[in-house]
Amino acid sequence: EVQLVQSGAEVKKPGESLKISCKGSGYSFTNYWIGWVRQMPGKGLEWMGIIYPGDSDTRYSPSFQGQVTMSADTSISTAYLQWSSLKASDTAMYYCARKAAAAGLDYWGQGTLVTVSS
Amino acid sequence: DIQMTQSPSSLSASVGDRVTITCRASQSISTYLNWYQQKPGKAPKLLIYAASSLQSGVPSRFSGSGSGTDFTLSITSLQPEDFATYYCQQSYSTPTFGQGTRLEIK
Repeated sequence: EVQLVQSGAEVKKPGESLKISCKGSGYSFTNYWIGWVRQMPGKGLEWMGIIYPGDSDTRYSPSFQGQVTMSADTSISTAYLQWSSLKASDTAMYYCARKAAAAGLDYWGQGTLVTVSS
Repeated sequence: DIQMTQSPSSLSASVGDRVTITCRASQSISTYLNWYQQKPGKAPKLLIYAASSLQSGVPSRFSGSGSGTDFTLSITSLQPEDFATYYCQQSYSTPTFGQGTRLEIK
């Protein structure tokens, strides 16, 4: 069974760093792109970017380029999303999802809620 | 960026009704269009990919059509579990989502 399991909720202060994770299982982790999607409170879905764990090829949405860093560790089938200096506006639910060959996101993690508040 | 515009933004319907949600792209995206369903507090779920292909396990009352710039998601014979928010997403270039359509019980 394909599963993406994300790390737990985080509460951080502005300026702090953060790395959240997304662990894949039940499929060949290196052979599928992993995308990241932001959902701010009460709002819609926003595409952040995507990483191919097999060679770490990463493509960021222009809106998120330079704001976050995506990475992956194939030895533990885990993708990461990190911030070096959080802002209050980073408060949101963050989802990872596997990109199917036909281009849809076919499996999703349960989401990681990030709250940034002083 | 390719802009995706859904209509309506919200919709009220009854169990058993047929509903249609429209998604328009700001430029042609061929059939690189996916539809997702999201229920409160849950991750989105892929319903339709490549404009008209039904994702495995999704009931056949869901269907998608369109190409170029205009797309539709149709749900026949609405069931109680179908009341949710629906998003379109283009995967022709850097992906973008529509703003969502909230389907509510009348």
